[in-house]
Amino acid sequence: GQSLEQPSEVTAVEGAIVQINCTYQTSGFYGLSWYQQHDGGAPTFLSYNGLDGLEETGRFSSFLSRSDSYGYLLLQELQMKDSASYFCAVVENRDDKIIFGKGTRLHILP
Amino acid sequence: DSGVTQTPKHLITATGQRVTLRCSPRSGDLSVYWYQQSLDQGLQFLIQYYNGEERAKGNILERFSAQQFPDLHSELNLSSLELGDSALYFCASSVVGQAQETQYFGPGTRLLVL
Repeated sequence: GQSLEQPSEVTAVEGAIVQINCTYQTSGFYGLSWYQQHDGGAPTFLSYNGLDGLEETGRFSSFLSRSDSYGYLLLQELQMKDSASYFCAVVENRDDKIIFGKGTRLHILP
Repeated sequence: DSGVTQTPKHLITATGQRVTLRCSPRSGDLSVYWYQQSLDQGLQFLIQYYNGEERAKGNILERFSAQQFPDLHSELNLSSLELGDSALYFCASSVVGQAQETQYFGPGTRLLVL
């Protein structure tokens, strides 16, 4: 079957660093995306990894290891506004469907 | 404001009915995606269009259909509605619909089926 596993909840302190992991098992793999969604809001696309390694965008970085079927989202210098749900998603093939994980709710403590 | 618009914002209807959700992509974007988000199923990819043609298909039910028009706006048609179709429906757009591109999401349409 197809599955994406990510923790349901993570708690971290303002100013700290947090890592949200995602492991996947899918019939095909083209890339891994990350999305952020605040309560009551629409998802926001954060990053995409098609190749192994780290992609950095400001305070957010995303990592992929295709051999381990594993990726993570790293958030640095956490701010209260980072409190949200974060979804990983696998793009199965170049022109194929996107499969989402169930999301990780990130709580930031002051 | 992402530049993607969706109408209506809210929709309440009865089982068995048919509704149409509308999405206008950002100016210049050729690709439109549709997603469904519910408490039961989470976030699910439904379908993607590029320049009027279907490009990718996800977990879209046969009762649902979509199209992208020459002016690039898209409509998602939901028919024979069931209680379980109650959800948030988002559309997103990107320039040419490649996986690595940023997708810009609209505010969503909240559908309630009674």
